[in-house]
Amino acid sequence: SAVISQKPSRDICQRGTSLTIQCQVDSQVTMMFWYRQQPGQSLTLIATANQGSEATYESGFVIDKFPISRPNLTFSTLTVSNMSPEDSSIYLCSVEGGDRGSYGYTFGSGTRLTVV
Amino acid sequence: SQQGEEDPQALSIQEGENATMNCSYKTSINNLQWYRQNSGRGLVHLILIRSNEREKHSGRLRVTLDTSKKSSSLLITASRAADTASYFCATDKGGSYIPTFGRGTSLIVHP
Repeated sequence: SAVISQKPSRDICQRGTSLTIQCQVDSQVTMMFWYRQQPGQSLTLIATANQGSEATYESGFVIDKFPISRPNLTFSTLTVSNMSPEDSSIYLCSVEGGDRGSYGYTFGSGTRLTVV
Repeated sequence: SQQGEEDPQALSIQEGENATMNCSYKTSINNLQWYRQNSGRGLVHLILIRSNEREKHSGRLRVTLDTSKKSSSLLITASRAADTASYFCATDKGGSYIPTFGRGTSLIVHP
């Protein structure tokens, strides 16, 4: 299965600023997924990132707030823009194992974001 | 909205005991997956069971799936302190193969 390097692992940011999270995969993958996990909650899908096209955002998430780049088949970034304390969460990237996740999904180690 | 819901929300047991967690879901699925998360870190894929399977084993893990009841269970046998983590079930739904996660069960195994 793929190995994902995600960074930073954690950060404390001032409100109104932006943070860019990076995920590097050790193999080429078609789709990459970005999730948010609010404290004590489940994972919520933010968007799906395809190389060479705009990301597809889930309901409640918009590109202006969470711009995503996918410059090649092994790399993606998620930016959390104009942060507020409500953005304090763990952010995770993920890739599918096998066709349409038929072997499960691999996750990065997560970025724990605290906005003060 | 969550597709899968785990039960119980929290479970505390002694080392050596078995731990059972349940997951219920609402709509038909192609597969159901279980993941472990240690201390708010990344999720680790444990096991995937397809809708035409009823039981699957992996080491000390045993997963069952009852599609008629729309439920699954994860059994960890002979638990160890290192099994302390949150466990999530994830299902695909509505024709989308992208997994939707439940709220998770927090398992504490006391040495």
